[in-house]
Amino acid sequence: RKEVEQDPGPFNVPEGATVAFNCTYSNSASQSFFWYRQDCRKEPKLLMSVYSSGNEDGRFTAQLNRASQYISLLIRDSKLSDSATYLCVPPYGNNRLAFGKGNQVVVIP
Amino acid sequence: ETGVTQTPRHLVMGMTNKKSLKCEQHLGHNAMYWYKQSAKKPLELMFVYNFKEQTENNSVPSRFSPECPNSSHLFLHLHTLQPEDSALYLCASSQDPINYGYTFGSGTRLTVV
Repeated sequence: RKEVEQDPGPFNVPEGATVAFNCTYSNSASQSFFWYRQDCRKEPKLLMSVYSSGNEDGRFTAQLNRASQYISLLIRDSKLSDSATYLCVPPYGNNRLAFGKGNQVVVIP
Repeated sequence: ETGVTQTPRHLVMGMTNKKSLKCEQHLGHNAMYWYKQSAKKPLELMFVYNFKEQTENNSVPSRFSPECPNSSHLFLHLHTLQPEDSALYLCASSQDPINYGYTFGSGTRLTVV
């Protein structure tokens, strides 16, 4: 099983709508997780850290389900500027992070 | 300002050239990383340095040669590259990746012709 798996999409979302997507991870011992945002041809930037059952930051909510080993990200009231690839990043191996393909979100006017 | 600076931002090189990528972090982190990202693909870990010592080489071809003179600077020396090496090369640093994640530089977009 891969360290992290995400449906690459794209997820086409009407402006103002809510979108949610999941990722699954393989390391059951993982205690912390991160969501990064990556714009086209740019570097990933940290969006949110998830340490317990979840986290909320404005329009963004992350939830963690340890029993099923998945993490979700929900974006409310989508803006055009939310168009990006969202990377679910669990820790892996010797003090490093695992990166998958990400979920590509396209917000449509 | 991310605190991790990469130069150059763009690089075009021939297959017989030798060039170097530079990464500098001003965050006091003790770990630095090189990642490769090809079009439409996930980030691929290349090298990991902790306190200037290489702790991981992810089966990277010898035409890529890293150098870490101190905890703040990381280089990637390139020679006799192939067109398939064209990609975005990202440097990252971290103090405690499990709890705080990585901070990435802006990357060097490399084209091998």
